[in-house]
Amino acid sequence: QKEVEQNSGPLSVPEGAIASLNCTYSDRGSQSFFWYRQYSGKSPELIMFIYSNGDKEDGRFTAQLNKASQYVSLLIRDSQPSDSATYLCAVTYGNNRLAFGKGNQVVVIP
Amino acid sequence: EAGVAQSPRYKIIEKRQSVAFWCNPISGHATLYWYQQILGQGPKLLIQFQNNGVVDDSQLPKDRFSAERLKGVDSTLKIQPAKLEDSAVYLCASRRDRDLSPYEQYFGPGTRLTVT
Repeated sequence: QKEVEQNSGPLSVPEGAIASLNCTYSDRGSQSFFWYRQYSGKSPELIMFIYSNGDKEDGRFTAQLNKASQYVSLLIRDSQPSDSATYLCAVTYGNNRLAFGKGNQVVVIP
Repeated sequence: EAGVAQSPRYKIIEKRQSVAFWCNPISGHATLYWYQQILGQGPKLLIQFQNNGVVDDSQLPKDRFSAERLKGVDSTLKIQPAKLEDSAVYLCASRRDRDLSPYEQYFGPGTRLTVT
């Protein structure tokens, strides 16, 4: 099982602030990187994917990838209470299988 | 486009009993995955199918878990006999094709299994 690390504890951010989530991975050959959002009791929902080094923006979300450092991050701008969820980092390896981190819980405080 | 369907949504069984879960992927999706998600952890891949063939079952506890996708469409995952540590949410996901973009997977609602 390839390692995907999300070590930060629960993240509390005030409404309107930026939430920053980080993820590192062990397989240098990984090519595709995903961020999933999971509300309590629900299944994961894809919110961002990134394949190339650099930044990718989609609405209030920005994913950042640095393959040399084996690091991927997610920024959530103008955080809303509806962003309160667990965010899962996922990385492909092998036959396009996904390895997931354990997730980071984000709580947006109104 | 209909999403990934799973049933049942909830199941409570006693240890040593057997249980089966069903999944119907998004129409036309060749690749199907079963994941186990224990509370507080990320999903862990159990088995990956490409059409009706197994691509990866290296993390499937084969002494008690089995899965099949006989016609390359829907799939069943079985546990026999169940142990307490099998309590988890079992997620099914599908993708259009293993090797072609888009690579993202789409998840079903999951089956929450409680073993008592």
